[in-house]
Amino acid sequence: AQKITQTQPGMFVQEKEAVTLDCTYDTSDPSYGLFWYKQPSSGEMIFLIYQGSYDQQNATEGRYSLNFQKARKSANLVISASQLGDSAMYFCAMSPARYNFNKFYFGSGTKLNVKP
Amino acid sequence: EPEVTQTPSHQVTQMGQEVILRCVPISNHLYFYWYRQILGQKVEFLVSFYNNEISEKSEIFDDQFSVERPDGSNFTLKIRSTKLEDSAMYFCASSGTGASSGNTIYFGEGSWLTVV
Repeated sequence: AQKITQTQPGMFVQEKEAVTLDCTYDTSDPSYGLFWYKQPSSGEMIFLIYQGSYDQQNATEGRYSLNFQKARKSANLVISASQLGDSAMYFCAMSPARYNFNKFYFGSGTKLNVKP
Repeated sequence: EPEVTQTPSHQVTQMGQEVILRCVPISNHLYFYWYRQILGQKVEFLVSFYNNEISEKSEIFDDQFSVERPDGSNFTLKIRSTKLEDSAMYFCASSGTGASSGNTIYFGEGSWLTVV
């Protein structure tokens, strides 16, 4: 069974500070992809960053980086220099290779509030 | 930048009525998906579609649901006889090569369905 766990239902961070959003996953598949999406209050799902299970280096995309610890099955999202516009729901997702990466499993999300 | 577009953005329907949600995936993408998100809950996979047939579906995607690609650009989700519990945001998504190697799925802005 595939499972994504986000243990922080809500978090606060001061503007310009860094914040880490936790994600752990459970899969028996040796090959999978890990993703983070942002969902603002308007509802759309915005892709942020991807990490492949065989990637040696942690992924980075601008202010976003993914702290991938394969042995611990964790894929935490780090947002550096938080901005007010970062306030949103953040979802961690996994896509196992067994479904040809056709099926995404999502965590329950973390609501991030950035304080001025 | 190419995007997935969905119509309608919001629909209210009576219980028992048929609903069709429409999507135009990104033009050179080959895989198409429907996901749903009940208010305040996680995003759930419904179905994936490739080469004019369903490639994966979840237990949620029962006989009341169907998908179709009626022409070269549209991808539709039909709910035959809506129930109150079908009220949710429905996301269409598409990807180029099954989301392998970091080729993520791109979501539309969602269609909010309210069944009354």
